Amino acid sequence: SQQGEEDPQALSIQEGENATMNCSYKTSINNLQWYRQNSGRGLVHLILIRSNEREKHSGRLRVTLDTSKKSSSLLITASRAADTASYFCATDLDDKIIFGKGTRLHILP
Amino acid sequence: DTEVTQTPKHLVMGMTNKKSLKCEQHMGHRAMYWYKQKAKKPPELMFVYSYEKLSINESVPSRFSPECPNSSLLNLHLHALQPEDSALYLCASSQLSEQFFGPGTRLTVL
Repeated sequence: SQQGEEDPQALSIQEGENATMNCSYKTSINNLQWYRQNSGRGLVHLILIRSNEREKHSGRLRVTLDTSKKSSSLLITASRAADTASYFCATDLDDKIIFGKGTRLHILP
Repeated sequence: DTEVTQTPKHLVMGMTNKKSLKCEQHMGHRAMYWYKQKAKKPPELMFVYSYEKLSINESVPSRFSPECPNSSLLNLHLHALQPEDSALYLCASSQLSEQFFGPGTRLTVL
């Protein structure tokens, strides 16, 4: 069964704007991770946030985690054409990884 | 070597065929995974091997049979598949939480 629910399902923004995606989950977690997938290819790990962390940064990425609300957000700042992809959150509990439904991000030139 | 490789890249098979998907990693990771992904859907976990032992089987039909011959290799044996099994099959490995994915095998069942 799917654990994570992302919103929005699809997002189109102009290059240079910021993109925010949200993820909600249902059960306890060890970590929450975000992955990117370019069309029909393997997933690439972006960032991991532990259950005892509230915010984490990596380059143009900022992730927040609110365990009381069972939700996370991914912010991509100063978007680029190369950021066009699907983004998935994934909850992680004892080797069991469950992916959310994903957000399809399209960066307009 | 920080890559996970998968072969073949594409596979077309009939419902009576037997085929195998292969996955290899040389990062010394303890865990390896098989996922199934349908178009515009998230990956769905199928199997997890930890230290070469099957640790998670997500109620996958027996026509899918995983095998972990050693710590670097993971196979998925396919037999009597159905057209609805057509999908992208992804392999991943991890040492801790971060997963490293292969490019996938695009499987079509006729």
